[in-house]
Amino acid sequence: GAGVSQSPRYKVAKRGQDVALRCDPISGHVSLFWYQQALGQGPEFLTYFQNEAQLDKSGLPSDRFFAERPEGSVSTLKIQRTQQEDSAVYLCASRSRDEQFFGPGTRLTVL
Amino acid sequence: GENVEQHPSTLSVQEGDSAVIKCTYSDSASNYFPWYKQELGKGPQLIIDIRSNVGEKKDQRIAVTLNKTAKHFSLHITETQPEDSAVYFCAASMGNNNDMRFGAGTRLTVKP
Repeated sequence: GAGVSQSPRYKVAKRGQDVALRCDPISGHVSLFWYQQALGQGPEFLTYFQNEAQLDKSGLPSDRFFAERPEGSVSTLKIQRTQQEDSAVYLCASRSRDEQFFGPGTRLTVL
Repeated sequence: GENVEQHPSTLSVQEGDSAVIKCTYSDSASNYFPWYKQELGKGPQLIIDIRSNVGEKKDQRIAVTLNKTAKHFSLHITETQPEDSAVYFCAASMGNNNDMRFGAGTRLTVKP
């Protein structure tokens, strides 16, 4: 069976551009998470969905970050007016029971 | 909130030796402690986990120990192999596991 997939795998944006990052979770997984991983660091929690409901967005660093999961499956993380400090790997994970299954991530580079 | 500290940040061992990575956590309410292995260009992959009602768990060459009183837990890899080389992350969460906090990672290198 397919795991969590993310696209694009790499994204280069000019400062000020908007970007959209996609996550396809494992089919049937109710819970979905987004994390931000800076170079040489562990993943940091951004936001959490249960089905289509965004239950926790306390980790989003600013109001330029927005996530949605309108049909309770695919999720999109959108970053508006990107800044250099947004450069990182963005990881998506979906959960079955306790275990979180991670996708390969999208590496975002803001020039 | 929860704070997870991990050390060492880098670890180099000879093939066949054991490797130990240690983590501490701050919130006594945390009750789920997974360990992830991350290879270059990939997402973290769960290798073992432990809940707070258990002191030790083993899976072949990998074991995790938990000391709730001291709020620390450790990953032990025995008979290391070159393919064990990766970055390892510990994490801690509480209750419904919706807010998992990760350590900063340990880069393990196993020299053949």
